[in-house]
Amino acid sequence: DQQVKQNSPSLSVQEGRISILNCDYTNSMFDYFLWYKKYPAEGPTFLISISSIKDKNEDGRFTVFLNKSAKHLSLHIVPSQPGDSAVYFCAFIGGSQGNLIFGKGTKLSVKP
Amino acid sequence: DVKVTQSSRYLVKRTGEKVFLECVQDMDHENMFWYRQDPGLGLRLIYFSYDVKMKEKGDIPEGYSVSREKKERFSLILESASTNQTSMYLCASSFGGRVYQPQHFGDGTRLSIL
Repeated sequence: DQQVKQNSPSLSVQEGRISILNCDYTNSMFDYFLWYKKYPAEGPTFLISISSIKDKNEDGRFTVFLNKSAKHLSLHIVPSQPGDSAVYFCAFIGGSQGNLIFGKGTKLSVKP
Repeated sequence: DVKVTQSSRYLVKRTGEKVFLECVQDMDHENMFWYRQDPGLGLRLIYFSYDVKMKEKGDIPEGYSVSREKKERFSLILESASTNQTSMYLCASSFGGRVYQPQHFGDGTRLSIL
């Protein structure tokens, strides 16, 4: 049973517009949430995180929103740039030793 | 900057071979992880280790084993490689302790089993 769902396998956005990537989870015990970005032939790189005591965290063009009642996490990228084109994974701390549970990823394409 | 180095970017092996994938990190991280990434399945955890000589099974440990003899090095072993183990393998590391820390990933090893 999937604990983490990224229901959109792909997303296409025009340069300069907002990209919104979504993630749903089922386990209410999750309390730390992360977004990773992955380019082809490279490992995932950490992008931004949020703990359950917050509902928003912002870092430059990237903002993560957490809606605990809806068990929903989203990543906003404003403005989107062609270099943002990558696969984005949401992830949650799933164990006491810090092991991550990943979603299946959403491939973002930002068109010039 | 954290550096996680995987020994090979691309590897081709034959069915039945014993395969070693090596990972080294230079940040004195306590935790190390092995994942595989497959299209449509995301990243799945194979094994992880939170200390030298310690190991824990992840979600898909079957057909794999691991070794952590030194803190900086975490090896993934395919005891008898099979074609369904063709995949991208990713190693990661993070600090241990009570404060959650992001994992830092290597660039991956694309393994093909013929």
